[in-house]
Amino acid sequence: DADVTQTPRNRITKTGKRIMLECSQTKGHDRMYWYRQDPGLGLRLIYYSFDVKDINKGEISDGYSVSRQAQAKFSLSLESAIPNQTALYFCATSDAGTGANGELFFGEGSRLTVL
Amino acid sequence: GEDVEQSLFLSVREGDSSVINCTYTDSSSTYLYWYKQEPGAGLQLLTYIFSNMDMKQDQRLTVLLNKKDKHLSLRIADTQTGDSAIYFCAESIGGSASKIIFGSGTRLSIRP
Repeated sequence: DADVTQTPRNRITKTGKRIMLECSQTKGHDRMYWYRQDPGLGLRLIYYSFDVKDINKGEISDGYSVSRQAQAKFSLSLESAIPNQTALYFCATSDAGTGANGELFFGEGSRLTVL
Repeated sequence: GEDVEQSLFLSVREGDSSVINCTYTDSSSTYLYWYKQEPGAGLQLLTYIFSNMDMKQDQRLTVLLNKKDKHLSLRIADTQTGDSAIYFCAESIGGSASKIIFGSGTRLSIRP
């Protein structure tokens, strides 16, 4: 089983709909992240969380919200989806322990299409 | 601001060396990374270098860091078809490598 699991893997929706992407991890890491990937733009950070009570905005948080329901779960919501939110979304985790090098462990991605 | 730049494409002949270059802006980065993304998959850490190092070698991979010019490179020796992927340069921002900023990715294609 994957250490970082994202659901759904693929979703097609219409403009204005509310969408939630879910992420769960079995790595026991405190830090969790949501990125989006667009061709030619690389990965851009949407939100990140260092523990259950900590939520931080990334580079492109407008139009998104997150919830850290537990150490192992971090969900991303689009309250009213728009076409330019069509992208591949990645959840990632990292270890904050002493000596950690910041390595991110990624899920397999959730491809979202907004029509 | 925080920015990581790299070229979008690189094509090399099988067996040759591949060199992927990257520039970054945050001089306080603690770690710099190279991630690999194969088709249909998430990113995986390929290698990383601590900011007080100039070079790191790991089998076919050589990472060079020029802190003065804020330039990072990844050399893959004896490039194979299995090396076809997108390679992302990334830097850590903030204390404890708390935030990782990625470049646009370089798509490496291998010619026979």
